[in-house]
Amino acid sequence: GQSLEQPSEVTAVEGAIVQINCTYQTSGFYGLSWYQQHDGGAPTFLSYNGLDGLEETGRFSSFLSRSDSYGYLLLQELQMKDSASYFCAVRDQAGTALIFGKGTTLSVSS
Amino acid sequence: NAGVMQNPRHLVRRRGQEARLRCSPMKGHSHVYWYRQLPEEGLKFMVYLQKENIIDESGMPKERFSAEFPKEGPSILRIQQVVRGDSAAYFCASSPGREKLFFGSGTQLSVL
Repeated sequence: GQSLEQPSEVTAVEGAIVQINCTYQTSGFYGLSWYQQHDGGAPTFLSYNGLDGLEETGRFSSFLSRSDSYGYLLLQELQMKDSASYFCAVRDQAGTALIFGKGTTLSVSS
Repeated sequence: NAGVMQNPRHLVRRRGQEARLRCSPMKGHSHVYWYRQLPEEGLKFMVYLQKENIIDESGMPKERFSAEFPKEGPSILRIQQVVRGDSAAYFCASSPGREKLFFGSGTQLSVL
């Protein structure tokens, strides 16, 4: 089966940089995705890594190391609006269902 | 282009009643996923459907729960004889393939 581990909570101050780690175990690997969710609202897609390395999208970057079954989401120049839950996700062994981690709650203070 | 539409936003049912949750995917999307979320928890996969087909229902409880995505109309998640433990937020997501998912705003089901 699939399992994902990520920290439950992270705190930071405005303007700082924060890294949210995700380790996974999966029978077949189809890439690592990241989603953001504000206050129980609709989760929104942030990034996807299919190959090793860093993907950058504005203030957010995501990294993947397939050999280590590890990835992270890097948020730079933190803003109050970045306070949210962040989920890493992988496809199941059949490559169909997208399985989510339990999420990391990020709290940004001024 | 309208996003994924879920209705109702809030649904209150008494124990033993039926709950029907509806999801209209984004235009052009033929893949629909249903997830359940409890407070302070992650998104738990329930079922993945394409038009008229259930592709993966490995996360769906074997009893009382069913899902469909007909050729015409929205996808429906149906919960029969609801119990208090069914109270949760139910999210629907759609995608044009197996790429990123676009989520609706969810249906909050409360069972009294």
